[in-house]
Amino acid sequence: QKEVEQNSGPLSVPEGAIASLNCTYSDRGSQSFFWYRQYSGKSPELIMFIYSNGDKEDGRFTAQLNKASQYVSLLIRDSQPSDSATYLCAVIWAGGGNKLTFGTGTQLKVEL
Amino acid sequence: GAVVSQHPSRVICKSGTSVKIECRSLDFQATTMFWYRQFPKQSLMLMATSNEGSKATYEQGVEKDKFLINHASLTLSTLTVTSAHPEDSSFYICSARVIAGAYNEQFFGPGTRLTVL
Repeated sequence: QKEVEQNSGPLSVPEGAIASLNCTYSDRGSQSFFWYRQYSGKSPELIMFIYSNGDKEDGRFTAQLNKASQYVSLLIRDSQPSDSATYLCAVIWAGGGNKLTFGTGTQLKVEL
Repeated sequence: GAVVSQHPSRVICKSGTSVKIECRSLDFQATTMFWYRQFPKQSLMLMATSNEGSKATYEQGVEKDKFLINHASLTLSTLTVTSAHPEDSSFYICSARVIAGAYNEQFFGPGTRLTVL
């Protein structure tokens, strides 16, 4: 069973701090990795995707991928209360027909 | 980004009735759409992959005769929950995939909240 694991949280950080969200996956041959944000009662929205080892930055967000260790992380700099949401890690497995497998999500709370 | 709509956004029905949910890609053509289900406090679980002009591919444990999927055009896929029961109450979300070279992204619809009484 191929799995994507995340700490359910909640992860609480003060406003302006860096939030670090982590995700591990079981299939070493995984190809593509995605971070989605989901507000309560809403559908997920894509924040970032990353395919290659290393860091990828987009505004306040940085995705980090380490295929050797099978983890992907998301850093949110200068966290804002509006960042409070559940963050879902998703993986496309090699040979998986381009289907996304989601982790259970980490709830982030940014406190004033 | 591309826009995906779902209709209805919320539906309440009696046990034993059937409910149809529509998923439309508004500004692009989607040969592949996906249907997910999300129970409270849980993650998205893929139910099936819908391919235009062919039969849907269902994930293990998903009853194809209960969850009927039709992908009749490049912009529309429908999910019909037949003989719905309270345990089918959930948040149903569709997505449409865009592939361009190495770029592979799914755009999600806003979801449909189904409550079966």
